[in-house]
Amino acid sequence: AQSVSQHNHHVILSEAASLELGCNYSYGGTVNLFWYVQYPGQHLQLLLKYFSGDPLVKGIKGFEAEFIKSKFSFNLRKPSVQWSDTAEYFCAVNARNNAGNMLTFGGGTRLMVKP
Amino acid sequence: ETGVTQSPTHLIKTRGQQVTLRCSSQSGHNTVSWYQQALGQGPQFIFQYYREEENGRGNFPPRFSGLQFPNYSSELNVNALELDDSALYLCASSPRQVALPEAFFGQGTRLTVV
Repeated sequence: AQSVSQHNHHVILSEAASLELGCNYSYGGTVNLFWYVQYPGQHLQLLLKYFSGDPLVKGIKGFEAEFIKSKFSFNLRKPSVQWSDTAEYFCAVNARNNAGNMLTFGGGTRLMVKP
Repeated sequence: ETGVTQSPTHLIKTRGQQVTLRCSSQSGHNTVSWYQQALGQGPQFIFQYYREEENGRGNFPPRFSGLQFPNYSSELNVNALELDDSALYLCASSPRQVALPEAFFGQGTRLTVV
């Protein structure tokens, strides 16, 4: 079975600060990795995804994530956050041989950016 | 907007009752999954439907059941509601392409069991 851990439950930053949110997963096989964001009152949206190839993945709104296979990690980063980045962020995985969207999510990190 | 629509948006039910939640998938998407998101937690996979059959299930009891229709829309049914069933229920659709299992989520149905 897969599991996902997000170590930071709440993060508070000032605008222009750098962001790194941790994500570690547990699974013995090959996985696809995702970061989703949930803005207040809105649906879950995909920020970025990793299937294969370059382990540094760039997503929307200036976010990027790095897949480190040896550490089973997929940390999310942004060099300079904005107030509009206030949201909840979820890391998710699914096994490479699973079709569709059978995702295992982490518990989420709630980010608050102070103006 | 993702094109995935869920109804109703909010619902209050009494313990022991039954509830049906509905989801219309994004155009062209033939796979639908349901997730339960309890307050303060990440979404938990309930089950997935493809071609009107369940083809994957998470750790949820049989009183959680579903349907998928020929137009790929879907229902989630929960029998014998318990207080712990109070949560946001999310529907996600995706095309049946293993290389691109990107899920598109609806806004969810907030179920409160009292």
